[in-house]
Amino acid sequence: SQQGEEDPQALSIQEGENATMNCSYKTSINNLQWYRQNSGRGLVHLILIRSNEREKHSGRLRVTLDTSKKSSSLLITASRAADTASYFCATVNTGGFKTIFGAGTRLFVKA
Amino acid sequence: GAVVSQHPSRVICKSGTSVKIECRSLDFQATTMFWYRQFPKQSLMLMATSNEGSKATYEQGVEKDKFLINHASLTLSTLTVTSAHPEDSSFYICSARDSSDNSPLHFGNGTRLTVT
Repeated sequence: SQQGEEDPQALSIQEGENATMNCSYKTSINNLQWYRQNSGRGLVHLILIRSNEREKHSGRLRVTLDTSKKSSSLLITASRAADTASYFCATVNTGGFKTIFGAGTRLFVKA
Repeated sequence: GAVVSQHPSRVICKSGTSVKIECRSLDFQATTMFWYRQFPKQSLMLMATSNEGSKATYEQGVEKDKFLINHASLTLSTLTVTSAHPEDSSFYICSARDSSDNSPLHFGNGTRLTVT
């Protein structure tokens, strides 16, 4: 990817389980964002965490950011079959305006 | 919320022809729009930044004469794939912000281009 890596590349879990996805990036950032993409569709913004924040919650989503390690994680709790999608982290570099995406994690939640 | 509309959603064209993709911000003005390309099961690759009233800024390795971008108004950017070849087949997605440079992107639903 243009910015960094995500792991795992693919994740398959049972409904009700938690899903954790990790993202690493390469440069100093203003903020880090997580997006979701259903197959063949555009992306939907989930959550944004600023570089001076360490953790953020939104519903069943929990995002952490460790700027010293240049990494972030997205936790989806109590997963549902409808959470099946690809999830991407994205960053805006310090002083920049372009949004660069990570490689993505394909999540499959089995009912 | 902010809505970005992209058209067409799918297009099939013959080698050598040109295809135009439109990206509209429906309820906000976008001085800057971003065009991405996505191959199957891969991430989004930024192709270019479209600037209203001025030339687009292309990323390294993206041919500006191949991928013509026009941003003639605050609500419309177009991407024209010229003299398309099968290797141009891909999923093209546009996006825009409705406020500051640090705000999230709003995406169109993408255009699946198939060149035969």
